[in-house]
Amino acid sequence: GDSVTQMEGPVTLSEEAFLTINCTYTATGYPSLFWYVQYPGEGLQLLLKATKADDKGSNKGFEATYRKETTSFHLEKGSVQVSDSAVYFCALSDVYETSGSRLTFGEGTQLTVNP
Amino acid sequence: NAGVTQTPKFRILKIGQSMTLQCTQDMNHNYMYWYRQDPGMGLKLIYYSVGAGITDKGEVPNGYNVSRSTTEDFPLRLELAAPSQTSVYFCASSYRGDSPFGQGTRLTVV
Repeated sequence: GDSVTQMEGPVTLSEEAFLTINCTYTATGYPSLFWYVQYPGEGLQLLLKATKADDKGSNKGFEATYRKETTSFHLEKGSVQVSDSAVYFCALSDVYETSGSRLTFGEGTQLTVNP
Repeated sequence: NAGVTQTPKFRILKIGQSMTLQCTQDMNHNYMYWYRQDPGMGLKLIYYSVGAGITDKGEVPNGYNVSRSTTEDFPLRLELAAPSQTSVYFCASSYRGDSPFGQGTRLTVV
């Protein structure tokens, strides 16, 4: 079945540092890939997505490129802020499954940014 | 457009009690889902629905039931609450890969 593997956390960075959170996936079809963010005490919010190979998703300074050859979708940001502290989830969706576009999630990576 | 709305936000149940978590969406999405999120873990799919009158089990369905009488509503029922069901529950809908989530219900079973 489909699966998503994220780098183990937690990750602690200083403000303005470069961020990479690794994500690799296994899927039988042609999945769409997502990054969700969960701020403390809140629900999940879609951060960015990519629907086909070589697509780059971007939002709020975050970027991720859909790499089919390495089955990866790593999240990057050039300069993190304290307000980026949250849990980040990588997810995939195989829109050709019978359940439509249900999501398979990674375990999540806790990011803490210190001033 | 309210998106996906869940109620209640918090609930404490005693072992053996029952309750229904409500979920409604106003985007006319056919697909709806219930996930649970345990501390430090990702989300696990409990049940899903591809349209009114159609539901199916996800990865962790034991102890739960669902119904889908309308496109808008997808309630999740816990019949005999157990401590293992202490978790945060999220409802979501989806259309072509976009999957808005509700704010979550934090449930504690004591």
